[in-house]
Amino acid sequence: ETGVTQTPRHLVMGMTNKKSLKCEQHLGHNAMYWYKQSAKKPLELMFVYSLEERVENNSVPSRFSPECPNSSHLFLHLHTLQPEDSALYLCASSQSLANTEAFFGQGTRLTVV
Amino acid sequence: GENVEQHPSTLSVQEGDSAVIKCTYSDSASNYFPWYKQELGKRPQLIIDIRSNVGEKKDQRIAVTLNKTAKHFSLHITETQPEDSAVYFCAASTGGADGLTFGKGTHLIIQP
Repeated sequence: ETGVTQTPRHLVMGMTNKKSLKCEQHLGHNAMYWYKQSAKKPLELMFVYSLEERVENNSVPSRFSPECPNSSHLFLHLHTLQPEDSALYLCASSQSLANTEAFFGQGTRLTVV
Repeated sequence: GENVEQHPSTLSVQEGDSAVIKCTYSDSASNYFPWYKQELGKRPQLIIDIRSNVGEKKDQRIAVTLNKTAKHFSLHITETQPEDSAVYFCAASTGGADGLTFGKGTHLIIQP
């Protein structure tokens, strides 16, 4: 157990639904991340939080909305997704932004129907 | 931003042989290069990393080499075993807000 827990493990949602992914870390880390893992593509960084402050990332569609209420929790709110958003969503944390090991959660397998 | 290329996409080796996976990066400011192993249905896990002030690092059967001038780094696995079968990802980071930039991954298959 790496100390990074994601729920749910699997999620099927319709294009009009609203759902949230949850990530929790018990490692005392200051940085948390959301990554998207699709088949045949590299892991794509979506959002970065450092000390609960979001580091700007403008390349993610607004149908994905992150929230970091405290240093241990990270959410990804989903609404009006598209079928191409189906992927494995991985949360990770690290001690800081500066080149330290990223610990990954087991991911949420999302299917948009 | 950083761009990381990884080759090959699939690598099949006989058990006991060595495997080498190569990555190149574009941003000369990158100074941290981790390698992750992801088994089927599991999370990526760090297996070894190297920082830009070091040219080579070893941990038992695994080694990583870094050539800063050429901007490439490689993962070497010796005496491969069936449990080495997995997808391996290289990554690079400048330590800033961009986090880790990953390569596309190499599916390593160990043939018995």
